[in-house]
Amino acid sequence: AQSVTQLGSHVSVSEGALVLLRCNYSSSVPPYLFWYVQYPNQGLQLLLKYTTGATLVKGINGFEAEFKKSETSFHLTKPSAHMSDAAEYFCAVTPGGGKLIFGQGTELSVKP
Amino acid sequence: DTEVTQTPKHLVMGMTNKKSLKCEQHMGHRAMYWYKQKAKKPPELMFVYSYEKLSINESVPSRFSPECPNSSLLNLHLHALQPEDSALYLCASSGTDETQYFGPGTRLLVL
Repeated sequence: AQSVTQLGSHVSVSEGALVLLRCNYSSSVPPYLFWYVQYPNQGLQLLLKYTTGATLVKGINGFEAEFKKSETSFHLTKPSAHMSDAAEYFCAVTPGGGKLIFGQGTELSVKP
Repeated sequence: DTEVTQTPKHLVMGMTNKKSLKCEQHMGHRAMYWYKQKAKKPPELMFVYSYEKLSINESVPSRFSPECPNSSLLNLHLHALQPEDSALYLCASSGTDETQYFGPGTRLLVL
């Protein structure tokens, strides 16, 4: 069965610092991988996705993620955090067939 | 345009009421989804419709009844809910690349 593990339920960074949110997955088939962001009282917004091709994926708001098959990882990074980045972040994988398997989420706090 | 709309934004209902949640997308997507999300948790899949037919029901209680009137609309009919059903209900849709786009959700409170 496929699963997603997000290391750290809560990450705190200072404004301007590097953001690193970790995601590891288990999959018996090549997965499609996603990062979503959820601001308070809102739905999930797609940040970026990996399906095939280039393993470094750029998304919205300056975020990017690298698919590393050997490490079964898809970590999310942003060089310089902004106060507006404070939100809940979900990593997800789909094996196909309509199901999206989410990690438990990481709450990002940004200190001024 | 990757917009999924949901109405209402907020809903308060008693345990004997009947209400409906609505979802709409105009991206030509053929798959639509209902999720339930509790605070500080990831969304939990409830139902999947593919080409207007129910393809996945994740053992959801019968007090939740989905309906897909056409390829752009998805409803969730609610009847005799319990207080523990209070949550954020999210709708999503996806096209051939299986990327799911979410609506803003309906915040439901059952009294």
